[in-house]
Amino acid sequence: EAGVVQSPRYKIIEKKQPVAFWCNPISGHNTLYWYRQNLGQGPELLIRYENEEAVDDSQLPKDRFSAERLKGVDSTLKIQPAELGDSAVYLCASSLSRLDTQYFGPGTRLTVL
Amino acid sequence: DAKTTQPNSMESNEEEPVHLPCNHSTISGTDYIHWYRQLPSQGPEYVIHGLTSNVNNRMASLAIAEDRKSSTLILHRATLRDAAVYYCILRDVGSQGNLIFGKGTKLSVKP
Repeated sequence: EAGVVQSPRYKIIEKKQPVAFWCNPISGHNTLYWYRQNLGQGPELLIRYENEEAVDDSQLPKDRFSAERLKGVDSTLKIQPAELGDSAVYLCASSLSRLDTQYFGPGTRLTVL
Repeated sequence: DAKTTQPNSMESNEEEPVHLPCNHSTISGTDYIHWYRQLPSQGPEYVIHGLTSNVNNRMASLAIAEDRKSSTLILHRATLRDAAVYYCILRDVGSQGNLIFGKGTKLSVKP
């Protein structure tokens, strides 16, 4: 069974540029999560989707971050414009439902210069 | 959100057992104890979870104190592939059920 797929794996951009990350969850998983992980820290939840609805986006910096989950499957996380402090690993995870085991993708390492 | 306390780092020798401690003195009745680990350059992966009783699976064992204020993840025979950051997380099934990660314990395994 295929795991959570993320792309790109690495991204280097200059500050003020836009950037987007893509996630394909495990087939049949209704719940999808985006996390941000700063160096030396544990992952921090940014947003959780139940199907196509964002049910918990309290930690998403809404001035520059946006996310969507079309048709309740794939998801895209966007940053516009990027700032130096956005350099981090962005992880996507999915689960069958809210309280089931979460399966993580390998992450996208973003470097903002 | 209930919090956990773990040592920053631990060392182990290959093929020896490893006991990773976690303190969670403010645990509530609806908190499940979850362990995830993160290998270098990978996303976290689920290891084990429990509520009150000790749990075993193919990866590890989880020993939970009778008062539930602490727990220990046990790797029975550490291998070099077990070198990772191990996160102990309290997951409140009575609310959002989100995983709140701390800094975890970085486990080093020496050959």
